[in-house]
Amino acid sequence: DTGVSQDPRHKITKRGQNVTFRCDPISEHNRLYWYRQTLGQGPEFLTYFQNEAQLEKSRLLSDRFSAERPKGSFSTLEIQRTEQGDSAMYLCASSLEGVNQPQHFGDGTRLSIL
Amino acid sequence: GESVGLHLPTLSVQEGDNSIINCAYSNSASDYFIWYKQESGKGPQFIIDIRSNMDKRQGQRVTVLLNKTVKHLSLQIAATQPGDSAVYFCAEKPSGTYKYIFGTGTRLKVLA
Repeated sequence: DTGVSQDPRHKITKRGQNVTFRCDPISEHNRLYWYRQTLGQGPEFLTYFQNEAQLEKSRLLSDRFSAERPKGSFSTLEIQRTEQGDSAMYLCASSLEGVNQPQHFGDGTRLSIL
Repeated sequence: GESVGLHLPTLSVQEGDNSIINCAYSNSASDYFIWYKQESGKGPQFIIDIRSNMDKRQGQRVTVLLNKTVKHLSLQIAATQPGDSAVYFCAEKPSGTYKYIFGTGTRLKVLA
């Protein structure tokens, strides 16, 4: 399978713990995106990378959230001091470079905060 | 698995009929639009896209129509099949950015 891969698929943790998710994009894709999706809603944009550079961040991305893409390939999203409101599906997408290239999504990491 | 879109608008169609799913987008400066299909427990799956300089684009069994005057997008699915049952989202990309803004999804139910 050469699609976007996310790990883990599910994460259950206690409030206040730190969590980290990983995303492996489609191999030839330079651009990588993180979104968050809650039940009954469409995905909401969090942040975007062009190679290793983080070029856009949503105001949804509080200072407890940090994303990295150190070598321009896989990316990690870390949430520190998790809160109940962080429970959601975290989706990663990737796309080719260029104007108006479609974003292809992984199957997400479902985060549940106890 | 969990259910995507527990309280979404629902469109029920008979198997074999055509489906039309509508979407109103928000930003008149958006220059690119995509329809995604999302099944329970999975990420959004790309169906078809259209650029703002077009008003119609056809794929296999699917057609997207764009009306920029009223900021309206529609997805037509021909000969709807049980495997088409899912939640469908439209997404718009404002010009000058790379983020997508997703609309409220529509649940499509195909009746046998």
